[in-house]
Amino acid sequence: KNEVEQSPQNLTAQEGEFITINCSYSVGISALHWLQQHPGGGIVSLFMLSSGKKKHGRLIATINIQEKHSSLHITASHPRDSAVYICAVGGSQGNLIFGKGTKLSVKP
Amino acid sequence: NAGVTQTPKFQVLKTGQSMTLQCAQDMNHEYMSWYRQDPGMGLRLIHYSVGAGITDQGEVPNGYNVSRSTTEDFPLRLLSAAPSQTSVYFCASSYSNRNEQYFGPGTRLTVT
Repeated sequence: KNEVEQSPQNLTAQEGEFITINCSYSVGISALHWLQQHPGGGIVSLFMLSSGKKKHGRLIATINIQEKHSSLHITASHPRDSAVYICAVGGSQGNLIFGKGTKLSVKP
Repeated sequence: NAGVTQTPKFQVLKTGQSMTLQCAQDMNHEYMSWYRQDPGMGLRLIHYSVGAGITDQGEVPNGYNVSRSTTEDFPLRLLSAAPSQTSVYFCASSYSNRNEQYFGPGTRLTVT
C-alpha cells in the first residue's frame, strides 16, 4: 500500500464546477503539501499545512490530522486550473513522500 | 532571487557515460533534495541534505551520488548511466522541514 494515496486519479469538470481532490496518508508527518504541475512540467507549491484550513483565492486546503486525510477544493473552476495536483507529506528531515497525482481537466 | 536553478534542461547520454546534474539555490535554504519523476510512479526521492556536509539516501539512491560542500549547491552525479535512469529530475529546497518547498524547473534525461 502506498504511503500517500490520492483520489481520484483523473478528474474532468465543466468550467464553474466545485472540485475536490482527496489525499490520505499512513505515516507520521511534519506537514502536508499540495503542489501543482502544469503540462510544461514546472512544480509549484500551493499550500503547506499541518492543521486546520488554508485559503488562497479560489483554492482551499484542509487537513484532519486524526484521520490522516486532506482535501484540496477548487471553487468556480476555470480551464486554467487544468493541471496535475500532487499531495505530498513531509518527513522529519524535510524530504517529501508524494502521491501519484490527480490529473484535472476543466472544460470550457 | 533566481530561486532554484537546474542545469542542463535536457541531456542525452549513452549507457555507461557519467554526468553531473547541477542544482543551486540562492535562498540560503538548509534542506535540499533530488527527486525523479516517472510516468505512473509519481515523484520519488533519490537523495537529500539537511545542511552543508550532510547527505542521506532516499527511496531510490542506487546509481546516484551527491555531495553538499556549500549551502547553495547540491549536485547529483550519475556514475554509469543506464536506460532505467531515463527520467525527469527535480531539485527542491526549503528553509526547514516545516516550510514551503521550492522546485527547480527540472532536467529531462534520456539514456540510450
